Amino acid sequence: EDQVTQSPEALRLQEGESSSLNCSYTVSGLRGLFWYRQDPGKGPEFLFTLYSAGEEKEKERLKATLTKKESFLHITAPKPEDSATYLCAVEKGGGNKLTFGTGTQLKVEL
Amino acid sequence: NAGVTQTPKFQVLKTGQSMTLQCAQDMNHEYMSWYRQDPGMGLRLIHYSVGAGITDQGEVPNGYNVSRSTTEDFPLRLLSAAPSQTSVYFCASSYNRGRETQYFGPGTRLLVL
Repeated sequence: EDQVTQSPEALRLQEGESSSLNCSYTVSGLRGLFWYRQDPGKGPEFLFTLYSAGEEKEKERLKATLTKKESFLHITAPKPEDSATYLCAVEKGGGNKLTFGTGTQLKVEL
Repeated sequence: NAGVTQTPKFQVLKTGQSMTLQCAQDMNHEYMSWYRQDPGMGLRLIHYSVGAGITDQGEVPNGYNVSRSTTEDFPLRLLSAAPSQTSVYFCASSYNRGRETQYFGPGTRLLVL
């Protein structure tokens, strides 16, 4: 059975304190791994797609990496506006269906 | 481009009532899907469609019905609401080529009493 596990469940950082969020997965035939950001009361907002092990993508203070078993979302020098829930999802061969993890709730404090 | 729109934003139902959650997209996406989000459970796929006239079940389809008569619209029907269907519902759309980004709507919060 396909599984996506995110850790930690919650993370509290001071502004400027860099850290990483983890997404580990067990799925056969991975076609893509997606990272989304979700603010309270809103729908998930797309951040990155990673397709193969070794791939990296960056956007502002965020950098996503992918290995054969897990993905990391690195947050460098976070600001309070980075506070949100970060969701990881995988797509395997055979269609567009996504399997989501339960998310990491990040809070960045001044 | 409005993207993916959902109505209503919030709804309260009594057990046994029926209702339709509306979803529309203006990006000409073939693939549309419905998810529900519950605390500690993550997003779970209810139903999806790869084009007009084609629908299929996802992970948690029981109690829900869908149809796709146009490319733009993908309504989700609750036939007889139950308290277990209290949740936040998200509609998403994408191109149907695989490895495509799915874009989500703002969600409908449903409370079943």
